[in-house]
Amino acid sequence: SAVISQKPSRDICQRGTSLTIQCQVDSQVTMMFWYRQQPGQSLTLIATANQGSEATYESGFVIDKFPISRPNLTFSTLTVSNMSPEDSSIYLCSESDGNTEAFFGQGTRLTVV
Amino acid sequence: SQQGEEDPQALSIQEGENATMNCSYKTSINNLQWYRQNSGRGLVHLILIRSNEREKHSGRLRVTLDTSKKSSSLLITASRAADTASYFCATGTGTYKYIFGTGTRLKVLA
Repeated sequence: SAVISQKPSRDICQRGTSLTIQCQVDSQVTMMFWYRQQPGQSLTLIATANQGSEATYESGFVIDKFPISRPNLTFSTLTVSNMSPEDSSIYLCSESDGNTEAFFGQGTRLTVV
Repeated sequence: SQQGEEDPQALSIQEGENATMNCSYKTSINNLQWYRQNSGRGLVHLILIRSNEREKHSGRLRVTLDTSKKSSSLLITASRAADTASYFCATGTGTYKYIFGTGTRLKVLA
């Protein structure tokens, strides 16, 4: 089983600024994923982060708004750019191999004021 | 985008009663997982069921999968106040990623 550490665990940010969220896995993994969970809602997949290639974004999400880095097989970052109050959400990173349990970080609770 | 829709959206029951939540999805899957989330906190993995399985049990939890109807159900028997949480299904289509359903908010009254 993988242990995923995310930081920061929470932050309050001013609109118009950017926040970078870090995700560290305790073992090498092929695929990492970033999800957004808006207040009272389910998890929505933002993008898939592969090491050595650009992230693959889901419909409705763009690289300019959510740039992702994946410099190695244990680490990824998600940046929320030019934030507005609508970006207030919990952001979670995850890893899975598609066949067994998907593991999640504890999430980053972002409030934009 | 959501692959699955869950119903009911919210469920309120008395302690000791059974709770059933349903998940319907749109495309063929390799497997389906159920997760629990307490008050917007971390996700707790409950059960994974593969597309060639029809039923799995874990303690008070029973999950069924009907691939012909593209649906799954989660049954919690003899519910407890501590079961109060949101429950999500997540479908895996073999592309590594999981897509979550809309979720069911369960409230168990003591």
